[in-house]
Amino acid sequence: QQQVKQSPQSLIVQKGGISIINCAYENTAFDYFPWYQQFPGKGPALLIAIRPDVSEKKEGRFTISFNKSAKQFSLHIMDSQPGDSATYFCAASDDGLTFGKGTHLIIQP
Amino acid sequence: GAVVSQHPSWVICKSGTSVKIECRSLDFQATTMFWYRQFPKQSLMLMATSNEGSKATYEQGVEKDKFLINHASLTLSTLTVTSAHPEDSSFYICSARRGVGYTFGSGTRLTVV
Repeated sequence: QQQVKQSPQSLIVQKGGISIINCAYENTAFDYFPWYQQFPGKGPALLIAIRPDVSEKKEGRFTISFNKSAKQFSLHIMDSQPGDSATYFCAASDDGLTFGKGTHLIIQP
Repeated sequence: GAVVSQHPSWVICKSGTSVKIECRSLDFQATTMFWYRQFPKQSLMLMATSNEGSKATYEQGVEKDKFLINHASLTLSTLTVTSAHPEDSSFYICSARRGVGYTFGSGTRLTVV
């Protein structure tokens, strides 16, 4: 059973556009929801994270929106740049991390 | 803060040999570390949870006699792939928990020939 469902699998966005990646979870015990960015051959790097008592968190061009009742959360990348091209993973944690399957994002110049 | 150093970054070994991968927390003590395996274009799959001073907890389907984990100190966990075979070739990543957050190592690309 996949506990964290992520979509889309791949995404192409024009430079300057908004990239949106969505995740849904099943386990209501999850209490920490991070997003990771991964470049080829590298480990994941924490981008931004949110706790369930907050509906939105913004850090620079990155925003997490969190809907506790719907058990969904999303990542918005504003003013997307070619350097943002990477694979993005959502995750959820209660005692250890459960990852989504990842989204391969390409920002076209 | 919260840096995790993983070595080596890549290794090629012959089939039947063993390979050790190290994961160190550089600026904090990590009582719990995690080992993941990642195949190309796929997500991270948790292999085992390593607790300092005790036996690791392995996920279902992971052979504990093949993937030996040692967490002898608060800053070092090691993963040894024993009697490696080509199907063990993968990207192995460690992670350490600090507070509610998790920091990842840079990964080790293992190729078994």
